Amino acid sequence: AQSVTQLDSHVSVSEGTPVLLRCNYSSSYSPSLFWYVQHPNKGLQLLLKYTSAATLVKGINGFEAEFKKSETSFHLTKPSAHMSDAAEYFCVVSENGGFQKLVFGTGTRLLVSP
Amino acid sequence: GAVVSQHPSWVICKSGTSVKIECRSLDFQATTMFWYRQFPKQSLMLMATSNEGSKATYEQGVEKDKFLINHASLTLSTLTVTSAHPEDSSFYICSASIGSGGSYEQYFGPGTRLTVT
Repeated sequence: AQSVTQLDSHVSVSEGTPVLLRCNYSSSYSPSLFWYVQHPNKGLQLLLKYTSAATLVKGINGFEAEFKKSETSFHLTKPSAHMSDAAEYFCVVSENGGFQKLVFGTGTRLLVSP
Repeated sequence: GAVVSQHPSWVICKSGTSVKIECRSLDFQATTMFWYRQFPKQSLMLMATSNEGSKATYEQGVEKDKFLINHASLTLSTLTVTSAHPEDSSFYICSASIGSGGSYEQYFGPGTRLTVT
C-alpha cells in the first residue's frame, strides 16, 4: 500500500527566505505524487504533480519539487517565501490508473514571518 | 476551469437529524467523485469513491448506512449524514476527477463544516 510521510508538522521561515517542505513516499507501483495547499476555510489547490515525466516539476506560485526515486522523496521548495504562502501543505501519493485513490500526508503548516 | 462547489459551506444540526451535502462540478463532467473527511488540524481521510450511476465504494471503517452517497448525474454527488451525532462533526470535502488513460487530476471543493449539537 502507498503512503506518504511529511517530516515536519510546522515550518517557520522569514519572508524572502527559501522554503523547504519535506515528503517521503512509499509505493508498490510507479506513483503519481502531488502537492496541495490549503488556505484557511478554502478548498485544496493543486500546486504541482509528478506523473513519471520530468523529475523536476515546476508548479504555480514559484513552487517546485524534485522526484528522487533513490531517496523516495518529493520535497517541495520555493526560493523566496511570501506572506501569502502561509498555509497548510499536503503531500499526496496516488497509484497510476484505476480509481485514482489519493493518500494524503499529515500536512505541514508553513508560517511566514515578516 | 475545473471548479467544484459544495453546498452548504457550513451547517449546524441537532443530534438525530440527517444532513445532505451537495458536491457539483460546475464546468466539467466527472464520472468519479470522492468524499473526504478532515478532523481539526489533521489530514484528509478518504471516505468513499462515488461513480456516476453505480453504488459508491466505501473505505474500510466507514459506515455506508450512515454516510449515504448518491451520484445521480455527471455533475452532482450528494453525501447524506443520517442520524447525525456530535462525533460526526467534521469538515467534509469532495473532489471530482478529470482524466483518462491513467492520468487523472482531482479538483477539490471548498468543504462543508458540519457541527452536530
